[in-house]
Amino acid sequence: QQQVKQSPQSLIVQKGGIPIINCAYENTAFDYFPWYQQFPGKGPALLIAIRPDVSEKKEGRFTISFNKSAKQFSLHIMDSQPGDSATYFCAASRGTSGSRLTFGEGTQLTVNP
Amino acid sequence: DAGITQSPRYKITETGRQVTLMCHQTWSHSYMFWYRQDLGHGLRLIYYSAAADITDKGEVPDGYVVSRSKTENFPLTLESATRSQTSVYFCASRLGQASDTQYFGPGTRLTVL
Repeated sequence: QQQVKQSPQSLIVQKGGIPIINCAYENTAFDYFPWYQQFPGKGPALLIAIRPDVSEKKEGRFTISFNKSAKQFSLHIMDSQPGDSATYFCAASRGTSGSRLTFGEGTQLTVNP
Repeated sequence: DAGITQSPRYKITETGRQVTLMCHQTWSHSYMFWYRQDLGHGLRLIYYSAAADITDKGEVPDGYVVSRSKTENFPLTLESATRSQTSVYFCASRLGQASDTQYFGPGTRLTVL
């Protein structure tokens, strides 16, 4: 049972574009929603995270939008750069400090120069 | 600052052999995790540990064994490797209740022939 569904599977944008990656979850007990960034040959690294008490969180060029009623959240990358080319994973966990992260399937982003 | 390390980075083995993947962290984090990464499936949790001598199953535990006799080490053993266990394996750690961030190691690429 896939509790976190991520789309699209792959995405190609031009430099300066705004790629948007979407995730939908099923478990209403989830209350922590991070995004991880992974470069080839490396482990994933936390990019940005949100809790359901806010609808948006911004860190630099990265923004999470959260829609609790729709059980969806998305990652927006403003002014995308070729260096942002990577695989992005959304995830979710439950509990104040949930131990178990459930990951989406991943989105391979390519930013062309 | 070594952080979290995994060994070996690459391993080729044959069906039926026992294989142990090592994970070591220098932060004294309470929680440690093992994930496998397969195309189209994202990251799936195999086992996790909340502290030394405390382990629990994740989403895909069959065919794997873990132990955690010391806080800093969390080895993953495939008792009788199968071709379906060909994957990239990531170890991760988390400080504890005070933090949700999981830090990932560089991964071990395992091929079972």
